[in-house]
Amino acid sequence: RKEVEQDPGPFNVPEGATVAFNCTYSNSASQSFFWYRQDCRKEPKLLMSVYSSGNEDGRFTAQLNRASQYISLLIRDSKLSDSATYLCVVKEGGADGLTFGKGTHLIIQP
Amino acid sequence: EPEVTQTPSHQVTQMGQEVILRCVPISNHLYFYWYRQILGQKVEFLVSFYNNEISEKSEIFDDQFSVERPDGSNFTLKIRSTKLEDSAMYFCASSRRGNTEAFFGQGTRLTVV
Repeated sequence: RKEVEQDPGPFNVPEGATVAFNCTYSNSASQSFFWYRQDCRKEPKLLMSVYSSGNEDGRFTAQLNRASQYISLLIRDSKLSDSATYLCVVKEGGADGLTFGKGTHLIIQP
Repeated sequence: EPEVTQTPSHQVTQMGQEVILRCVPISNHLYFYWYRQILGQKVEFLVSFYNNEISEKSEIFDDQFSVERPDGSNFTLKIRSTKLEDSAMYFCASSRRGNTEAFFGQGTRLTVV
């Protein structure tokens, strides 16, 4: 059974702070890894793919540890607009569907 | 920027009725998906579709569900006889290749009464 586990939060963080999320996945055959964000009652939107060497996109940094089956997301200098639910997502490969975590709810406070 | 579009945005149907949810994937994408999200729960995979056939389906995607690509642009999900527990947000997604990022439509909120 494919599972992705995340701390549901909520994380209440002051504007400008750095916040980190983690997730673990159960299926060692997983090939692709992503972070999506979801605003209330909206569709998931791709935030970034996660590569084995780690990758950065502006204020966002993602890390992957295949040995520990662990993925992380770091948000620096958080903005009010970062308030959302962050979804950890994995995929085995090919035409397989995405397996979603339940998401971590982030609230940035002014 | 190309996007996945879904219609209708909200559908209310009576239990036992058939519904068809429609999606237009991004035009140069080859893989198409349906997901659902029951209110307050996680996004769940239903089915993937490639080369005009189902590639993978989850245990949720039972005989009451079917998918079709009736023409070169539309991708549909049919629920034959809706149940109350089918009430959810249904998202269509597409990706260029199987191992690349998937992009989601804005969803159809299905309410079964």
